[in-house]
Amino acid sequence: GIQVEQSPPDLILQEGANSTLRCNFSDSVNNLQWFHQNPWGQLINLFYIPSGTKQNGRLSATTVATERYSLLYISSSQTTDSGVYFCAAPGYSSASKIIFGSGTRLSIRP
Amino acid sequence: GAVVSQHPSWVICKSGTSVKIECRSLDFQATTMFWYRQFPKQSLMLMATSNEGSKATYEQGVEKDKFLINHASLTLSTLTVTSAHPEDSSFYICSARDRGREEQFFGPGTRLTVL
Repeated sequence: GIQVEQSPPDLILQEGANSTLRCNFSDSVNNLQWFHQNPWGQLINLFYIPSGTKQNGRLSATTVATERYSLLYISSSQTTDSGVYFCAAPGYSSASKIIFGSGTRLSIRP
Repeated sequence: GAVVSQHPSWVICKSGTSVKIECRSLDFQATTMFWYRQFPKQSLMLMATSNEGSKATYEQGVEKDKFLINHASLTLSTLTVTSAHPEDSSFYICSARDRGREEQFFGPGTRLTVL
């Protein structure tokens, strides 16, 4: 099946800093999602981005499907941005299911 | 829109008992729901895909007789952990896919502790 890899695994930043999280996938995909899992475990949909660039406030994402990667940018980090960020891509055998990467654990220090 | 709820949010049970977890889509019809399990500091692992009115499709290594899934309506899926053991302790998360959309939306999760 498709492999989804995320980097870095851990990231510690000071409040106000910018960050870039990367998601690589082993085959071409027709959709890709980014999620934020908060400290209570809730997954929050950030972006559904099969290709191109989208922005939502301080967050933006870019997917380059032909090169099999997606990037999540967080600008002017806040402590509430802490948590784990996951990307997920559709599995081969079933287009309806998605395969998660291992996540990037982000800690924003005040 | 696209709100998914789970109940209960946490449960503690004795070894050998069964536990039922409900997943509801509150403001949309979910033709497909998914059940995931997440161990501490790990990613989400898909357990099964549930389609309304049909049998669930289980991922390799997931015992269908132990993890019973029922998707009786377009807004409700249930996961029953039968004869729970301590190794079943985990964070169980459901998601739902809106008809005609590709995105999955996730419930808040259920933390199961088996003593």
